[in-house]
Order: sequence, then C-alpha cells, then structure tokens
Amino acid sequence: AQSVTQLGSHVSVSEGALVLLRCNYSSSVPPYLFWYVQYPNQGLQLLLKYTTGATLVKGINGFEAEFKKSETSFHLTKPSAHMSDAAEYFCAVVGNQFYFGTGTSLTVIP
Amino acid sequence: KAGVTQTPRYLIKTRGQQVTLSCSPISGHRSVSWYQQTPGQGLQFLFEYFSETQRNKGNFPGRFSGRQFSNSRSEMNVSTLELGDSALYLCASTFGDVATEAFFGQGTRLTVV
Repeated sequence: AQSVTQLGSHVSVSEGALVLLRCNYSSSVPPYLFWYVQYPNQGLQLLLKYTTGATLVKGINGFEAEFKKSETSFHLTKPSAHMSDAAEYFCAVVGNQFYFGTGTSLTVIP
Repeated sequence: KAGVTQTPRYLIKTRGQQVTLSCSPISGHRSVSWYQQTPGQGLQFLFEYFSETQRNKGNFPGRFSGRQFSNSRSEMNVSTLELGDSALYLCASTFGDVATEAFFGQGTRLTVV
C-alpha cells in the first residue's frame, strides 16, 4: 500500500524567505514521487517528480525536492518565496493510481 | 500541443438528476484517470481507463461510472446526484503507465443543489 502525509495544512512565509513544504511517504516498493501545484479554480500542474536516479530533483519555478529513503521523505523547497508561489501544493506517490496528500496551502506575505 | 480539455467547466444540477462530464486527453495519451476533489476529502481516485477498458477503480458507489472511446476521450457519468457529489472533478491523462507524468485538466466544478 502507498500513501503520503503532508505535514502542515497551512504554511506562511515572507516574500524572499525559504519555502519548505514537508511530505513523508509510505510505499512497499521503490516509490515514484511527485509534487503538484494548484492555483484557485485550476487543475494540477506538475512541479517535479522523482522516479529513479539522482535524489535531488529540480523542478519548475525554482522548486526542488530531495528524496531521502532513510527518512521516507520528499520535502519541497524553494530558496526565495515569490508572491506568485501562493497556491495549494500536493505531494503524491504513484502505484496503480496517484495517491495524493491532503495538500498544503502556501501563503506568501509581502 | 494541446493540453487536457475538460468540459464543461461549471455545472449546476439538482439532486436526483444525472450528469455527464467529458475529458479529452493529450493527443497520443491512452490513459485517462478521474479524481474527485472536495475540501473535506481531498483528491480521491475514481477510476482509470486505458485503451477503452477500465483498468483501475476507486471506492465510489456504482452511481459513478465512466467510459473511454476509441479516440481516448473519456466521459464520466454520475446518476441520482446527491448534495455530497458537489466537487471539482479532475481528469488526468498519461501516455501509458500511470507511473509516468500525469497531465491534469482544469476540472469541472459540479454544484448539486
């Protein structure tokens, strides 16, 4: 069985500050992990994904995530938050379907 | 290339009615999955179709059904609508194996009154 847990349903950061969104996974097989972003009344847009290979994955809009097997984590980071980063972020693990976390709403304070 | 297209974007239906939602995947993609998104339950998997066959199914009642056509376009039908069916319904397409990147449409916002 596969699942993900996102710690913190709401995160607020100041513009220019580090963004850290936490995701822990559970998987009985080597996981394929994804981060998606959702803007209001929109679908989900892929930020980045980990399948195999390099554990530090770079995505769009300056985001990156590091796969840590020992910690079963796949946290999403961005060095400097921008106002346009305000959105809902979803971590997901894939089996025969996408298993999504409950989402983290990111607020960026000017 | 064109993205995933879902129609309509918004729907208002009355309890007891039925509704059909449409999803056109990216050209060449053969897998279409459907998800229900609500504030309380988050994103929940409904079903996945691949080459006109339902390949996987989530834990939803039989009122929720779907199908896929030979051109990979998919429809989702909900019969005997309930207030709790109000949600954003998202469609995702992948080329083949669901483990590859999924591209999502903008969703259909269904409101049941």
